[in-house]
Amino acid sequence: EPEVTQTPSHQVTQMGQEVILRCVPISNHLYFYWYRQILGQKVEFLVSFYNNEISEKSEIFDDQFSVERPDGSNFTLKIRSTKLEDSAMYFCASSGGLGAQETQYFGPGTRLLVL
Amino acid sequence: AQSVAQPEDQVNVAEGNPLTVKCTYSVSGNPYLFWYVQYPNRGLQFLLKYITGDNLVKGSYGFEAEFNKSQTSFHLKKPSALVSDSALYFCAVRDNSGGYQKVTFGTGTKLQVIP
Repeated sequence: EPEVTQTPSHQVTQMGQEVILRCVPISNHLYFYWYRQILGQKVEFLVSFYNNEISEKSEIFDDQFSVERPDGSNFTLKIRSTKLEDSAMYFCASSGGLGAQETQYFGPGTRLLVL
Repeated sequence: AQSVAQPEDQVNVAEGNPLTVKCTYSVSGNPYLFWYVQYPNRGLQFLLKYITGDNLVKGSYGFEAEFNKSQTSFHLKKPSALVSDSALYFCAVRDNSGGYQKVTFGTGTKLQVIP
């Protein structure tokens, strides 16, 4: 069964450093998403991406964040200058369509720890 | 705006007994409702969804959920709990108004099945 994959599974970084989280969505999916889950809290939407541009973003997704689809398979989330409060589990998701009825399939997550 | 409430932080049930994990929602338009499960140190796995039609939706691993429009609820159920069902369960919603692409998650309910 096709699945979303994410690398790395864990990342530790120093405050102020740049990090890039990588995702490989399900191969025939066209819509991609990033969510995050701060420890003990609920999963929060960050951004959705389609046709090489952001289609929706939350207030969390400020200028420190960017997303990119650098090639035909990868989808990345970059945090330009990490802060302590960026420590969280980051989930990538993809869906085959854009409609509200479409299921988003999630990857296993990258646990980011900012020191 | 869309929101989801999971009123129970934790549900304990004996193995073999029926289980219910509660969820209520609020949306502007028609709701599309999802249940996801998260095992420790794992990503979110899709269980089932309600789009339209029959109010009782069947999903993976013997789970089902009942959509109740008048009570704005979408409770997750299983006739006979297994120890392996112990995990964190998230209810989620999207609506079909305003072009919302994000999935809004509840705070999660920890299900503990006692042998």
